[in-house]
Amino acid sequence: GENVEQHPSTLSVQEGDSAVIKCTYSDSASNYFPWYKQELGKRPQLIIDIRSNVGEKKDQRIAVTLNKTAKHFSLHITETQPEDSAVYFCAARRSSASKIIFGSGTRLSIRP
Amino acid sequence: EAQVTQNPRYLITVTGKKLTVTCSQNMNHEYMSWYRQDPGLGLRQIYYSMNVEVTDKGDVPEGYKVSRKEKRNFPLILESPSPNQTSLYFCASSFNGVDTEAFFGQGTRLTVV
Repeated sequence: GENVEQHPSTLSVQEGDSAVIKCTYSDSASNYFPWYKQELGKRPQLIIDIRSNVGEKKDQRIAVTLNKTAKHFSLHITETQPEDSAVYFCAARRSSASKIIFGSGTRLSIRP
Repeated sequence: EAQVTQNPRYLITVTGKKLTVTCSQNMNHEYMSWYRQDPGLGLRQIYYSMNVEVTDKGDVPEGYKVSRKEKRNFPLILESPSPNQTSLYFCASSFNGVDTEAFFGQGTRLTVV
């Protein structure tokens, strides 16, 4: 069945450094790839998304890249700050199906 | 304020006692869904609804029921809860079920003893 693999499960980076989280999906028909951030004890919130007709999207310190051939997409956070500490989830969905598949999450910690 | 509201936030119940978790959204969204979140497993979709009276199974529907009689409400029903349904549950809604942002409720932490 459809699957989204997310790596790493935990990531610790020095404040100011960059963080990269990677996801691989199995369904080649997937065409929408959102990323959600979940702070401790709170609900997931969308931080950025990308559709399959573009290869990269950027929003200030956050960027997402998509490689449709390899079926993987990545989240890049530059100049990390303490408030970036959270769990990040990737997800994949195809327009012909309303199921969305989430990755297992990455716990990002920013060291001062 | 645009929001998705779940109730209750916390619930402890006993095995076999039927319960309902309510979910309501005020954004006139067509698409609503339920997820459970377990450590190391991420968010897994239980059921979703494309519109009123239209519901379908997600990845982990066993032991759950839903209904969508009105656009704004999407309750999750556990007819006979079991300990393996102890989890953190989230309801979410979005404008459509294709490529728009999902807005999540505050979550319901359910413990079945």
